[in-house]
This record gives sequence, C-alpha cells and structure tokens, in this order.
Amino acid sequence: EIVLTQSPATLSVSPGKRATLSCRASQSVNTNLAWYQQKRGQTPRLLIYGASTRATGIPARFSGSGSGTEFTLTISSLQSEDFAVYYCQQYNNWPEGLTFGGGTKVEIK
Amino acid sequence: QLQLQESGPGLVKPSETLSLTCTVSGGSINTNNYYWGWIRQPPGKGLEWLGNVFYTGSTFYNPSLKSRLTMSIDTSRNQFSLRLSSVTAADTAVYYCVTLVPVITNLWFDPWGQGTLVFVSS
Repeated sequence: EIVLTQSPATLSVSPGKRATLSCRASQSVNTNLAWYQQKRGQTPRLLIYGASTRATGIPARFSGSGSGTEFTLTISSLQSEDFAVYYCQQYNNWPEGLTFGGGTKVEIK
Repeated sequence: QLQLQESGPGLVKPSETLSLTCTVSGGSINTNNYYWGWIRQPPGKGLEWLGNVFYTGSTFYNPSLKSRLTMSIDTSRNQFSLRLSSVTAADTAVYYCVTLVPVITNLWFDPWGQGTLVFVSS
C-alpha cells in the first residue's frame, strides 16, 4: 500500500497570506495525485488532479505541483472560505488500492 | 451533471451487516464511463476508500476490508449498493458514494454524494 504523509497537520495562516501544504508518498506515484478541500460539515471537493490541473470552477489561487513522491498544494492568498481541511489522494497504485493522506487543517491565525 | 444520493439505516448493531444504497441521477449508471465507489470518514478523522463497482458488476475492494465488503449494481434502478458485514464501533462513519473515471490516470473522486452517517451501536 502506498502511504501518503501530509504535513503539517495544522497550518495557521493569516487571511491574504500564502499557504503551502505538503504531501509525501512512500513510493513514486508519478503525477497521479489529487487534492481535495473539505470544509466543516461538508462533502470533500476536488481541487486538483494530475498533481497540477485545477478542477472545473476552482480559483486560480489554488495551485498544485510535484511528481514522484513530493507534492505541494499552494493557496496564494488565503480567503476566508479557504479555511478547511485538505487531503491528497494517490491513484497510481491501481487496482491495488486508492489511498488518502491524513489531511492538513488550515486555520485562521 | 451526475448527482449521487446515499440512503440507508443510520444505526446498525454490532456484528450485523451495514447496507447502503446510492441513487444516481443526471445520467445512466449503465455505462462504461464511470466506476461507482464508496468512501467513508469516521467522525473527526480522515478519508478511506472502500471500493468501486463497474456497470458489468466487476468490483475492486480495499484490501484491508475485502473480506467484509460486497458491492453491487442495479442498472434497472440506477442504483449501486454497499454491504459491510460483521460491523463494529470502528465502522461508525459518514459513508459517501462517489464517481470515478475508469482510466488509470483519472482515478480521482468527483462528484460525491452528500454522505450519510452510520452509527454502529447496540
């Protein structure tokens, strides 16, 4: 099983500032990685797939990068609606399994 | 646009079988364009993929839960289902039904159902 480790577990950021979230895979997943946003009490929403492609309707302040085992989700200027938990997910290890990272909570500083 | 809606009991007794159904609207489930899947999230915790079913009935399960999982599809009702046997309190979670594109480089989850909370308790 490919293990995804997200860091930090919690990130405190002031509105308007940049947030950088990390996702590390236990073995290469190429660029077969997605990011999701989950606000409190809501369903997760797809943000990024293919490591760097924004899903439909996702603002340009969200960007993804990386390949292999190291990935980053960057929110360039945090808005109030961006405070949430973010998960990465790999889909390289098919059909052996699809796995998620443990999540990073982005909170208001 | 596809929409998914979970339904089923909100309370299941330990050792019994959890059964949920996902109703799909906005498109036919009888298509090779999608996998139909399930994900769960224990309260306050992260996401766990459970498995997928294809319109042919082919299934793919999380290896850690494979012995307890059964997924099926009913094309006549545009629904797919999840059964998880021998449940314990650790199976208490929000269960989401999801859609994936069945291409190895496209296996992300979108869209999601709104989720249904299932408690396991006597």
